[in-house]
Amino acid sequence: QSALTQPASVSGSPGQSITIACTGTSSDVGGNNYVSWYQQHPGKAPKLMIHDVTNRPSGISDRFSGSKSGNTASLTISGLQAEDEADYYCSSSTTGDLWVFGGGTKLTVL
Amino acid sequence: QVQLQESGPGLVKPSETLSLTCFVSGASINNDYWSWIRRPAEKGLEWIGRIHSSGSANFNPSLQRRVTMSVDKSRNQFSLKLNSVTAADTAVYYCARGYFRSAGRVYFDYWGQGTLVTVSS
Repeated sequence: QSALTQPASVSGSPGQSITIACTGTSSDVGGNNYVSWYQQHPGKAPKLMIHDVTNRPSGISDRFSGSKSGNTASLTISGLQAEDEADYYCSSSTTGDLWVFGGGTKLTVL
Repeated sequence: QVQLQESGPGLVKPSETLSLTCFVSGASINNDYWSWIRRPAEKGLEWIGRIHSSGSANFNPSLQRRVTMSVDKSRNQFSLKLNSVTAADTAVYYCARGYFRSAGRVYFDYWGQGTLVTVSS
C-alpha cells in the first residue's frame, strides 16, 4: 500500500482560509468514508481533528472542516490562527481492513 | 480520561529486536483494537499494525514479516516487537486506540505521547 499524497507545505496569513488536499485511490480514500485528519505540533502526539470525512470530535473548533470528492479528500481551516501552525496528516482505511496515512503537510501561519 | 503510555528501551542495536509496551489507563483493553504507529525523523506517520484484545491482528504489509503484537489483559497493556531492525527503524513510536469498524470508530482517538527509539550500534 502506498502513502496518500499531500502537499509538503502550505501557508496562509492569520484570518485567511487554507485547504490541504489528500489524494489516494479507489482502494482507500475513494472507496470508503473513513478519512480522518490529525494535527501534530512539534514534540506532541497527533490529535484527531476530523473523522469519517466530515465529522469533528467534541472540542474541535468549527474552523476545521473536511470534505471529499472522488479519490481526493480535503481539510479546510478557516480564520487561520497562529496556534494552527502544525503538521497535518490525512489517513484512510484501505483494502483488507488495513490503514494508510498521508505523507503530512506542514502548515505555516505567516 | 483515557491515557496511553509507551515504555521500552530507547536504543536498540542493528539486527536486534525492538520491544515496546503500551499501558492503558482509564479504559479497558478488552473488546477493542489497539495500534502502533511510528514517525521517522523528517518523515510522515506510518501505521505499523493493530491488535484486538482477542489477539487478532492486522499489519502493514511492508512490515508484517518482522512484526509481532500481543495483548496482556491482566495488565491492561499491549506490546510490539519488531525484529531485525536497521537504522531505517529509528523513529518516534506511538500507541493509539483504534481503529474499530464494528464499533463505529474508524479512526485513532487516543494516543500515547510517543517514545523515541534509536537503532544504532
